[in-house]
Amino acid sequence: GAVVSQHPSWVICKSGTSVKIECRSLDFQATTMFWYRQFPKQSLMLMATSNEGSKATYEQGVEKDKFLINHASLTLSTLTVTSAHPEDSSFYICSATGSTEGDSPLHFGNGTRLTVT
Amino acid sequence: GNSVTQMEGPVTLSEEAFLTINCTYTATGYPSLFWYVQYPGEGLQLLLKATKADDKGSNKGFEATYRKETTSFHLEKGSVQVSDSAVYFCALSDRETSGSRLTFGEGTQLTVNP
Repeated sequence: GAVVSQHPSWVICKSGTSVKIECRSLDFQATTMFWYRQFPKQSLMLMATSNEGSKATYEQGVEKDKFLINHASLTLSTLTVTSAHPEDSSFYICSATGSTEGDSPLHFGNGTRLTVT
Repeated sequence: GNSVTQMEGPVTLSEEAFLTINCTYTATGYPSLFWYVQYPGEGLQLLLKATKADDKGSNKGFEATYRKETTSFHLEKGSVQVSDSAVYFCALSDRETSGSRLTFGEGTQLTVNP
């Protein structure tokens, strides 16, 4: 079945540095990718939607300059957390859907645990 | 707007017990409904789905029926196992109003004891 690979699975960084998270669709072309953030024991909060070759659409309250999203190809989207701070520590999950699918995104990455010290 | 409400957890059951996790939704269009499962430290996996009223989704012994009249999609399993311990999310997508975006419920933590 379709697989989405997310990397790294966990990362620890110092406050003020930037961290890049990759999301790859391994056996399908992902025309649309979604980035979610999950706080402990809470649901997933949609941060942004990215379509290949165009700018990402951010949800209200999400800082686009802080969470940079690039969807440069049909198999790769990246989320860069710039100038990370401890409050950015969270679990980030990507999801992807392909052009041949007539339904919602069914393919999630395994998530990235970000800890900012 | 669209929303999903799940029964509050955590839920703790003994092995072989019957499971029900309630889920109700609000949508302006004709949504598709999903249950996702998240094991500790992992992303989400699709458990089952239903795309129209009266459809029943099923997988691994879990079932849920799309009830338009009660706007519900309750998850059930007749006999749970320890390996079913996870967080379960109900979700909807409404392609007419929100494209492929998923709206999630709050999640319900299930713990099954041997």
